[in-house]
Amino acid sequence: RKEVEQDPGPFNVPEGATVAFNCTYSNSASQSFFWYRQDCRKEPKLLMSVYSSGNEDGRFTAQLNRASQYISLLIRDSKLSDSATYLCVVSASKIIFGSGTRLSIRP
Amino acid sequence: GAVVSQHPSRVICKSGTSVKIECRSLDFQATTMFWYRQFPKQSLMLMATSNEGSKATYEQGVEKDKFLINHASLTLSTLTVTSAHPEDSSFYICSASGGTSDSYEQYFGPGTRLTVT
Repeated sequence: RKEVEQDPGPFNVPEGATVAFNCTYSNSASQSFFWYRQDCRKEPKLLMSVYSSGNEDGRFTAQLNRASQYISLLIRDSKLSDSATYLCVVSASKIIFGSGTRLSIRP
Repeated sequence: GAVVSQHPSRVICKSGTSVKIECRSLDFQATTMFWYRQFPKQSLMLMATSNEGSKATYEQGVEKDKFLINHASLTLSTLTVTSAHPEDSSFYICSASGGTSDSYEQYFGPGTRLTVT
């Protein structure tokens, strides 16, 4: 089993839709969790940290479920500019990136 | 957010030569810097973690004699790919963190695309 797993997608949804994807992790000792966004051929950029209590930033909501060992990202009212690959990052003794979920928003 | 620069952004070199990539944190002191490699359509793979003033910690399977990392100051780390071969062609990305090596957010450089001919 991979240490961090994501559905590679692609998720193809219409503009304005709500889309959510999860990321599972295997190490129960993981302490820090993040979502990054990566555009094609660019470096990843931090989208948001994921706290135990969950957090929201505008249209984006991230949640952590320690019991089931997954984090989630919800995007509401999706925009064309949300099209990107979303990487989850889990940190325990080292930092591990998921392979990313590709999201494509269509007009 | 914090700014990390990388230089060069693109480099083409001949097989057997060495290439140095610089990573700089421009507006904060980076106690820890990370070097990643990303092949097309694959995820970032951590190559090594370096703390200022100490030797880098390499991930399993990464040759430390081939990928030389120097983190001489709190704002600069360099990665030198020695005796590069075509299979070393990849996108190399550095990131910097101001906290401990595993718990703080990372700020990424724009990456260096290396092509070895």
